[in-house]
Amino acid sequence: EIVITQSPATLSVSPGERATLSCRASQSVSSNLAWYQQKPGQAPRLLIYGASTRATGIPARFSGSGSGTEFTLTISSLQSEDFAVYYCQQYNHWPPITFGQGTRLEIK
Amino acid sequence: EVQLVESGGGLVQPGGSLRLSCAASGFTFSSYWMSWVRQAPGKGLEWVANIKQDGGEKYYVDSVKGRFTISRDNAKNSLYLQMNSLRAADTAVYYCARITFGGVIALEYWGQGTLVTVSS
Repeated sequence: EIVITQSPATLSVSPGERATLSCRASQSVSSNLAWYQQKPGQAPRLLIYGASTRATGIPARFSGSGSGTEFTLTISSLQSEDFAVYYCQQYNHWPPITFGQGTRLEIK
Repeated sequence: EVQLVESGGGLVQPGGSLRLSCAASGFTFSSYWMSWVRQAPGKGLEWVANIKQDGGEKYYVDSVKGRFTISRDNAKNSLYLQMNSLRAADTAVYYCARITFGGVIALEYWGQGTLVTVSS
């Protein structure tokens, strides 16, 4: 089973600033990685798949990069609606599909 | 508009059973892999099961193998999760999700979730 580790657990950033979230896989997942955003009381929303492809309707301030075992989600200029929990998920070696434990992005 | 609406959650005693349903609309249901994902209270996301378009392939996380069964009825645009021998550790919000088209196993659309509580 591929273990996904996200860092940091909590990230405090001011609105308008850039946020960088990290995701590490225990072995290579090629580019088969997705990112999700989840707000309290809501279902997750797909942001990125294929490590760097934005899903339909996702603003350009969200970008993904990386391959192999190291991945990054960057939010270029934080808006108030971006403060949420972010998860990464690998689908290269499944079953099982595995998620990271999440990074909470909070307002500084 | 893609819509996924789960139902069937509730309070059940340990060892009991429950059947979750997910009604799909706004897309050609029979063309997509589907998935169940759960989230324990205050915890992260855990994939539970996937099913192929025709129901011919099914995959499960180890912790539910032999207890849960994923199924679908393409004529009714519905996805199901039969859960037997339930344990306290199965307490979670259960989401159904549509997998992206074309072999990318990302979860493109999600329902609002249904809460399953296993407790005596």
